[in-house]
Amino acid sequence: DAGVIQSPRHEVTEMGQEVTLRCKPISGHNSLFWYRQTMMRGLELLIYFNNNVPIDDSGMPEDRFSAKMPNASFSTLKIQPSEPRDSAVYFCASSRRQGGETQYFGPGTRLLVL
Amino acid sequence: DQQVKQNSPSLSVQEGRISILNCDYTNSMFDYFLWYKKYPAEGPTFLISISSIKDKNEDGRFTVFLNKSAKHLSLHIVPSQPGDSAVYFCAPGIQGAQKLVFGQGTRLTINP
Repeated sequence: DAGVIQSPRHEVTEMGQEVTLRCKPISGHNSLFWYRQTMMRGLELLIYFNNNVPIDDSGMPEDRFSAKMPNASFSTLKIQPSEPRDSAVYFCASSRRQGGETQYFGPGTRLLVL
Repeated sequence: DQQVKQNSPSLSVQEGRISILNCDYTNSMFDYFLWYKKYPAEGPTFLISISSIKDKNEDGRFTVFLNKSAKHLSLHIVPSQPGDSAVYFCAPGIQGAQKLVFGQGTRLTINP
């Protein structure tokens, strides 16, 4: 079975540009999570969805960040405009809402904003 | 407000010996606890979990111990193998709330 798929794996962009990160959760999972990992703050939850509906976006750092889940098999995290301090590894994870809390992570997108 | 602390940023263990990774938490509402393992350039992978109704859970070479009164859990790996070299994250959560809170991680190095 395919795991969580993220694209791109690496992104280098210049300050002020729009960045879009993509995630395909595991088929049959109805919860999706976006995390950011930095040296200073570790692995922090940005937002999560249940059945395509955003449930908790309290971790989204500011209005420059937005996330959508138009259907059960696709989600995007957008940063507009991007800033150097957004440089981090962004992970997407998915889980079944019922029957278990284990989250399964994708390989991550390494973002560098110059 | 750090709810989850892994106080050892790194740990070095001889191959074949026991590795013990520790995790402390402050939120008494946490009622299940997961450990994840992470290799460089990969996402975290689930390793083992424990519910608050238990004090021990074992899966092959991996055992997790939970001391609720001390708000402390530990992961034991025995015997340690070179492939266990990775960063280990403790991640408690609250049943039904879905959110996990990750510790800062401990980098384990197994020396041959």
